[in-house]
Amino acid sequence: GAVVSQHPSWVICKSGTSVKIECRSLDFQATTMFWYRQFPKQSLMLMATSNEGSKATYEQGVEKDKFLINHASLTLSTLTVTSAHPEDSSFYICSARDSERSTDTQYFGPGTRLTVL
Amino acid sequence: SQQGEEDPQALSIQEGENATMNCSYKTSINNLQWYRQNSGRGLVHLILIRSNEREKHSGRLRVTLDTSKKSSSLLITASRAADTASYFCGFNTGFQKLVFGTGTRLLVSP
Repeated sequence: GAVVSQHPSWVICKSGTSVKIECRSLDFQATTMFWYRQFPKQSLMLMATSNEGSKATYEQGVEKDKFLINHASLTLSTLTVTSAHPEDSSFYICSARDSERSTDTQYFGPGTRLTVL
Repeated sequence: SQQGEEDPQALSIQEGENATMNCSYKTSINNLQWYRQNSGRGLVHLILIRSNEREKHSGRLRVTLDTSKKSSSLLITASRAADTASYFCGFNTGFQKLVFGTGTRLLVSP
């Protein structure tokens, strides 16, 4: 149980294009999901907290107009990197908390590697 | 920065040996969690220890928490080559989100 999927697993795009990454909780409902980015050999940095049915909460320094987050259902959150540039190339990972369990454990997706040319 | 610090940054041991990695943080926490990440993959949850707990075991894993020193340690006993991965501590300050440490890269050689 507690499986989180991400799609796509990797994407290469041209500078200036937008890329959408999906995060799904497959066997549980998640009112809260989280988006992280990770640079090579570094830790995970939280970008934003995604709340079902409401606006995402962004961490300081993260541009909300560049990283659009939509959490339209209890099992799906999407991250759209708008007008991507090479410096946006990174590993993006989502996680989700099980809404029906009183636990702080986060379940992580397998990640999406974005390369912007 | 609220980010936790982990040491060592890298650890190389032989199969059968024990591996210990440490995590320090700066704020008050509700709980602390340890995760494993294989190269290029997502994180796998290993163990959660609450702020009122001092020690917790799960299989070959032993986690300690010292809230007075704001530190935690993860011990992997009788390590295996399959334990090779990066290990991260993540601490919860009460706002649902996790703040992660800098990570320890563990290499277990056969």
